[in-house]
Amino acid sequence: DAGVIQSPRHEVTEMGQEVTLRCKPISGHDYLFWYRQTMMRGLELLIYFNNNVPIDDSGMPEDRFSAKMPNASFSTLKIQPSEPRDSAVYFCASTSSLWGGWNTEAFFGQGTRLTVV
Amino acid sequence: SQQGEEDPQALSIQEGENATMNCSYKTSINNLQWYRQNSGRGLVHLILIRSNEREKHSGRLRVTLDTSKKSSSLLITASRAADTASYFCATGGGGGKLIFGQGTELSVKP
Repeated sequence: DAGVIQSPRHEVTEMGQEVTLRCKPISGHDYLFWYRQTMMRGLELLIYFNNNVPIDDSGMPEDRFSAKMPNASFSTLKIQPSEPRDSAVYFCASTSSLWGGWNTEAFFGQGTRLTVV
Repeated sequence: SQQGEEDPQALSIQEGENATMNCSYKTSINNLQWYRQNSGRGLVHLILIRSNEREKHSGRLRVTLDTSKKSSSLLITASRAADTASYFCATGGGGGKLIFGQGTELSVKP
């Protein structure tokens, strides 16, 4: 398996534009996480899915953020409209719950570095 | 929201020395995990310790967990320049949630 694949790796957009980040988790993993990393706030959990269903989106900062997982092999994180304070590195991670529902190790993608100007 | 708090925020040591990082958390957990992040890269899993375990080893890594104090420590023995990275603890709780601390930035000087 190629691991968790995120695209694009870098995105520069103007304020007000819509941004869509993509993630392909590892095949067979049933959990998918979206994190945002900044110097000020560290690594924040935005939302996570289990079997394609959103379980907890309490970390999503505002209604401008939305995430979907239409199937087990694809998820998107959308920001509309984007603002300069959304500039960060966005990570997707996946894991499996084979161990009786507990988390196992999470595998991270390389991240998408988003710059909103 | 952050669950874990790491201490120290930054640590600078010489090659060959041991590095110890601590993590404290607030709520009950199923397990605690440690990850490493090299600059500009994604996080890589190092080790997982379950809530009913007290100590675990993996190569030069030693992790301890004290659930009564809600704290964990990561010890890297005989550090190398290649160990230079940021280290994060993550708590696994109910429903599969995985929350990361703020991280410790480790610098190992050759």
